Amino acid sequence: DTGVSQDPRHKITKRGQNVTFRCDPISEHNRLYWYRQTLGQGPEFLTYFQNEAQLEKSRLLSDRFSAERPKGSFSTLEIQRTEQGDSAMYLCASSQPREPQHFGDGTRLSIL
Amino acid sequence: QKEVEQNSGPLSVPEGAIASLNCTYSDRVSQSFFWYRQYSGKSPELIMSIYSNGDKEDGRFTAQLNKASQYVSLLIRDSQPSDSATYLCAVLGGATNKLIFGTGTLLAVQP
Repeated sequence: DTGVSQDPRHKITKRGQNVTFRCDPISEHNRLYWYRQTLGQGPEFLTYFQNEAQLEKSRLLSDRFSAERPKGSFSTLEIQRTEQGDSAMYLCASSQPREPQHFGDGTRLSIL
Repeated sequence: QKEVEQNSGPLSVPEGAIASLNCTYSDRVSQSFFWYRQYSGKSPELIMSIYSNGDKEDGRFTAQLNKASQYVSLLIRDSQPSDSATYLCAVLGGATNKLIFGTGTLLAVQP
């Protein structure tokens, strides 16, 4: 069990650029979640997959955000036309049904 | 009213004391409750889960749940400086699979 893996750990980009993050869940977990956390706040839910199906999306997930989980394995989160307000820690978690969620180390996004 | 509320702290306790962290939630149909520990600049780490009323103990940690009062707490016995972190209370929504987090309580254990 190697835990939830996220890549990259840090991303610095200019406003208006597109960025993509990757998450590899714990291998036997069929549920995968994306959260966003800003300084001084708890993580906020963005979206959730069960296998390859995206089952729930937050209102926080504007049309500039898209997430995929092809083949029910790793997932990607893409942000298009980044804005200053997108600066945050993007956290991925995975779980088995009815089991606690375990988080990866996160990707810290900084928008210049 | 926020869905999950915590006192932001900081909560300062001397080494060896009991730290008591509290959390209230608004969704009465919530069934699953979690405490995560988050060190500065790191990701949340699960330390306790609780699903039924009463107490659940794991080492120095005890989680307490009172669904009638919509209240969850975490007790840390024999607090150590290494326990200094932000403790996040999280609730699994009744009709959803998303975790709803409080803003966290910053705990500082003084040597």
